[in-house]
Amino acid sequence: QQQVKQSPQSLIVQKGGISIINCAYENTAFDYFPWYQQFPGKGPALLIAIRPDVSEKKEGRFTISFNKSAKQFSLHIMDSQPGDSATYFCAARGTSGTYKYIFGTGTRLKVLA
Amino acid sequence: NAGVTQTPKFRILKIGQSMTLQCTQDMNHNYMYWYRQDPGMGLKLIYYSVGAGITDKGEVPNGYNVSRSTTEDFPLRLELAAPSQTSVYFCASSYPEANEQFFGPGTRLTVL
Repeated sequence: QQQVKQSPQSLIVQKGGISIINCAYENTAFDYFPWYQQFPGKGPALLIAIRPDVSEKKEGRFTISFNKSAKQFSLHIMDSQPGDSATYFCAARGTSGTYKYIFGTGTRLKVLA
Repeated sequence: NAGVTQTPKFRILKIGQSMTLQCTQDMNHNYMYWYRQDPGMGLKLIYYSVGAGITDKGEVPNGYNVSRSTTEDFPLRLELAAPSQTSVYFCASSYPEANEQFFGPGTRLTVL
């Protein structure tokens, strides 16, 4: 079964620090790699995403780094803020045309003020 | 524009009872999805639909059924509730070939 492995399970960072969350996938049949942010009691919301033909994408304080040969991608949150405290999920979308997503197990981030 | 709406927000079922989780989107999205979220397990795809009248199984379809008679609605049916179905259920939708899934607020279901 296709898998996306995410680490760490939880992360505590000081305000202003860098948060790094990693994901690895096992199958090459993915064409889109989004990161979702989820606050307690809410549904996930798209944060940032990347395609495998790009090695890095930056949007404000959020950056995705993508290593196609290693089948790994990571989310970096620069200057982490208490408002970034949430659960983050990486995901990978299949190329079969059905647009099915496989999600990582999530990382609970807490940014200390 | 309400986006993706789900009802109910919370529900407690007894073992063996049945219920339907409702999902409606007003964005004219062709693709709709049902996920369940368990602690430490991420989101698992239950069923998805690529358009009215077309549905297919995801990773964890056992114990569930879906239908898609309209573009807007994608209800999820639990026929014989079991404790293993205790979870938070999310519905999502997207355009074909679009890069963003829009999620509803979720339904928290407890089966006792």
